[in-house]
Formats: sequence, C-alpha cells, structure tokens
Amino acid sequence: GQNIDQPTEMTATEGAIVQINCTYQTSGFNGLFWYQQHAGEAPTFLSYNVLDGLEEKGRFSSFLSRSKGYSYLLLKELQMKDSASYLCAVRDDNTNAGKSTFGDGTTLTVKP
Amino acid sequence: DTGVSQNPRHKITKRGQNVTFRCDPISEHNRLYWYRQTLGQGPEFLTYFQNEAQLEKSRLLSDRFSAERPKGSFSTLEIQRTEQGDSAMYLCASTPSLGGEGYTFGSGTRLTVV
Repeated sequence: GQNIDQPTEMTATEGAIVQINCTYQTSGFNGLFWYQQHAGEAPTFLSYNVLDGLEEKGRFSSFLSRSKGYSYLLLKELQMKDSASYLCAVRDDNTNAGKSTFGDGTTLTVKP
Repeated sequence: DTGVSQNPRHKITKRGQNVTFRCDPISEHNRLYWYRQTLGQGPEFLTYFQNEAQLEKSRLLSDRFSAERPKGSFSTLEIQRTEQGDSAMYLCASTPSLGGEGYTFGSGTRLTVV
C-alpha cells in the first residue's frame, strides 16, 4: 500500500526557520509535491522534486532523497501568514494518470 | 483565466438524496481530478479524466459515485443515495501535464449529509 508520514503539528516563532519532514513508502515514484493549505481553503502548490537534492523558491526550499524515501520542506524567515497545514504528496502511479497520494498534513503554528 | 471553479461552495442534504457538484477547470488543462478531504486528513483520490475520458477511478469509490466530463471541459460528480459518511470537502483539481506544475485546486464543495 501507499504510506506517507509527516508530523501532525509543529510550532515555531516568527522570523525563525522550520523544517517539516515527510517520509514515504509507495509502490511507484514520479515526483513529490508540497502544498500549503490554510484552514477552510483549498491546497495551493508550493514545490516539486523529482530528482534528489534541494529546490529553492524564495523563502521556501524542498529537499528529496529518493533512496531514503524522505523529503523536507524548509521555511525561512517565518511570517504569521505561514500558519497553515503543509501537505506532502507523492505522485506514485505508473499508469501515467498523474494521481498523487497525500499525507495527512502538518499543522504549523507561527507564534509572535 | 480565473482558475478552477467549483459549485456549489456548500451543500446540505438529507440522507438518501442525490447531489451533483460541478467543476470548471483551467481551460487549457486537459487533466482533471476529483479528491475528497475530511477534517484532519489529506485529500483522497477519487477519479481522473484526461480530456473527456475517465481513465481511472479509485477502488474505494462505491458505485453510488459517478463522474462525467462531457466535451472535455467542465466535470460533474454525482453522489446517489447519500450517506452521512459522504460528508466531506470535495475538491477538483486540474493540471496541464505530468510535469512539475502540481495541481491547481478549486475552492471545493463542502457536503454535509444530515
């Protein structure tokens, strides 16, 4: 089966750096995505990794190690508006459908 | 383009009734997905269309659920004989390809079955 694990909750301070980890065990791998979801809203796409290494996008970076089945999302210079749920998703199918399996999300609370 | 549009935003229905939701994807996106999300969980895959063809449907989806995408544009998701367990947020997403763009999600339809 497909299994994606991420911490349920994290708390960090405004201006700090936080790392949200994700481990996965899936029958296939065709890319890993991170999404941000504010309460009551739909997820929005943050980042994509398909090769090992770090992808940087402004204050957000995402890292992937395919051999370890591991990714992290790094958020720098935290702002209050970064308080949200962060979803790790693996595009795991080999049928070219492009569907993803999502983790249950990590709820990040940024405190002043 | 105004992104992915879903209607209605909220739906309250009595158990046993049928409901239908609509999704209008980004016009140039040929791939359309339906997901379902309950509180505290990540989105769960329901079904996928490439243009007008429904190419995959989750095994978790009972035969009370059906989806269409006539003419490869908007899509509808119908739930027949709703049950309380169907209460969830139903999310539609589209993407142009299997590249690194990720999904663009609509705002979702929140279904409450009473």
